[in-house]
Amino acid sequence: QKEVEQDPGPLSVPEGAIVSLNCTYSNSAFQYFMWYRQYSRKGPELLMYTYSSGNKEDGRFTAQVDKSSKYISLFIRDSQPSDSATYLCATNSGGSNYKLTFGKGTLLTVNP
Amino acid sequence: DVKVTQSSRYLVKRTGEKVFLECVQDMDHENMFWYRQDPGLGLRLIYFSYDVKMKEKGDIPEGYSVSREKKERFSLILESASTNQTSMYLCASTTEYRGGYTNEQFFGPGTRLTVL
Repeated sequence: QKEVEQDPGPLSVPEGAIVSLNCTYSNSAFQYFMWYRQYSRKGPELLMYTYSSGNKEDGRFTAQVDKSSKYISLFIRDSQPSDSATYLCATNSGGSNYKLTFGKGTLLTVNP
Repeated sequence: DVKVTQSSRYLVKRTGEKVFLECVQDMDHENMFWYRQDPGLGLRLIYFSYDVKMKEKGDIPEGYSVSREKKERFSLILESASTNQTSMYLCASTTEYRGGYTNEQFFGPGTRLTVL
């Protein structure tokens, strides 16, 4: 079993839709959960991170972690064409463990 | 502004050539990483360096080596390039843990390498 599983999509939605992106993980030691966004022909950039369980909101984006079910979600409200990108979930146990475990990424296209 | 730069955006090499990919960061970060990214396989860690002259193998180190002579520079070397090393190569860096959340990795723009 891969440590982080992510549905690769692709996912295509109309502008204004609510988007849900999801990952599952297997290692109970993981404490930090991140979402990276990668535009075409660019490197990934950190979008949001959460520590342990709970929700975190930033504008139209909400990151959610449920440690009991080992489930990570990113919700995008009122999606825009500029949200079209590959979204990668990532996690690690934090502290001096610098290596991140990434999901394979989900390609999202928001159609105008 | 945080910056990780990579020496080339696109590179075409022939099978058997020795290939050098360079990465430079200006954030005084201790830790640097090399990944390759392939469709359907995601990001895979090749090598990691946590200090000058220190390195650690990642998940797929075979066919690669690295060099870190200066803190800001991390080089990936393909000793004898092969067609299965055609990929997007991404460099990243992160600072040393000093309490709090510090695990954000800052990525360069990537080098798309084609080996013919």
